[in-house]
Amino acid sequence: AQTVTQSQPEMSVQEAETVTLSCTYDTSESDYYLFWYKQPPSRQMILVIRQEAYKQQNATENRFSVNFQKAAKSFSLKISDSQLGDAAMYFCAYRTALNYGQNFVFGPGTRLSVLP
Amino acid sequence: NAGVTQTPKFQVLKTGQSMTLQCAQDMNHEYMSWYRQDPGMGLRLIHYSVGAGITDQGEVPNGYNVSRSTTEDFPLRLLSAAPSQTSVYFCASTKYSLGGTGEQDTQYFGPGTRLTVL
Repeated sequence: AQTVTQSQPEMSVQEAETVTLSCTYDTSESDYYLFWYKQPPSRQMILVIRQEAYKQQNATENRFSVNFQKAAKSFSLKISDSQLGDAAMYFCAYRTALNYGQNFVFGPGTRLSVLP
Repeated sequence: NAGVTQTPKFQVLKTGQSMTLQCAQDMNHEYMSWYRQDPGMGLRLIHYSVGAGITDQGEVPNGYNVSRSTTEDFPLRLLSAAPSQTSVYFCASTKYSLGGTGEQDTQYFGPGTRLTVL
């Protein structure tokens, strides 16, 4: 079974600075998808960014980018020019590309604080 | 397009009571799932459905029942509530297709239900 690990329960960053959140995963599969979700205090789960494992190019979405290292099974999220609104729980998630009914596996989350 | 909706937002139950958490989506997604979120444990899958009439168990199914009579609705039933079921519950939907990419593989979440069992 796949597992997702986020080794940083809490992180903090100064406003306008850059922060990197770590995620590692364990799988024997070669084709899969990886996601970062943001959960602000409102509790809503918001998709931040997604990455297909077969793509070597790292995904980017505005101030958010990933460093996908397939061989190392690492999928870190970099937030540039941090804003107060970035404060939230961040979850890394994995989904296989093989089975129609396969599900998402989530990491335990990293709580990000943004300091003014 | 409302996306994924859940009701109620908050609920307090006594041990032994039963109730149903409602979930609906208007995106015509085949795949729907229920998660519970507990501190330090991320989201854990309770049950899921790959289409109307088809459901299966996830990681933590005990104490919960589901059914899927329509594409839109996927209710979660607590049969006899226990304090261990105190949690935040999320419903999610995804449009899957075999070998699909892009939006088809992204999971959309409802706003969640905070359940307390006394």
